Amino acid sequence: QVQLVESGGGVVQPGGSLRLSCAASGFTFSSYGIHWVRQAPGKGLEWVAFIRFDGSNEYYADSVKGRFTISRDNSKNTVYLQMNSLRVDDTAVYYCARPSLGGYGGYQCDFDYWGQGTLVTVSS
Amino acid sequence: EIVLTQSPGTLSLSPGERVTLSCRASQSVSSNYLAWYQQKPGQAPRLLIYGASSRATGIPDRFSGSGSGTDFTLTISRLEPEDFAVYYCQQYGSSLTFGGGTKVEIK
Repeated sequence: QVQLVESGGGVVQPGGSLRLSCAASGFTFSSYGIHWVRQAPGKGLEWVAFIRFDGSNEYYADSVKGRFTISRDNSKNTVYLQMNSLRVDDTAVYYCARPSLGGYGGYQCDFDYWGQGTLVTVSS
Repeated sequence: EIVLTQSPGTLSLSPGERVTLSCRASQSVSSNYLAWYQQKPGQAPRLLIYGASSRATGIPDRFSGSGSGTDFTLTISRLEPEDFAVYYCQQYGSSLTFGGGTKVEIK
């Protein structure tokens, strides 16, 4: 069965850095892009970033562009989100999600599988 | 950026009732690339509907989606106890954005 497991969340001071991981199993990881979506406490969902199946393209929300970097290691079935220059308003649960379409169709797509999320708290 | 506005913010209903949730886009959503998700407290969202009207795998047929252009609707024909949750719409026709959500709570 498809599984996505996030890790790496924690408490960090404003201006600090954190790297999240999303470990995937149960499907052909190298055929699918992966998205990151976040949810601030008590708030709605916000799309954050996407990386294509082969790592050839990355896309970012304006709110994180220049501060966050998404990457992947297909040999480890893992996607990463490097978060630098963190701000208080980056505090959220971060989910990784698989698009329902593989290959080049994964960016503008719905998400059929989600991880359980990892909490990032930015606070002094 | 396409802004999605969901209404109402909260609905108080009883099991067995029919519910209609609205999602309005600030501009037309191309190819009806609109999805609906259900989220319960402490859980990740679950895909219900994609392409505005197609049910995702394993979703009961009491859930249905309709609409096109800028106006979309999620209908639950008869509320079951497990349907009380927050519902989000998402458009993926132009980048990706989510609506603010509608909470369906027990009356």
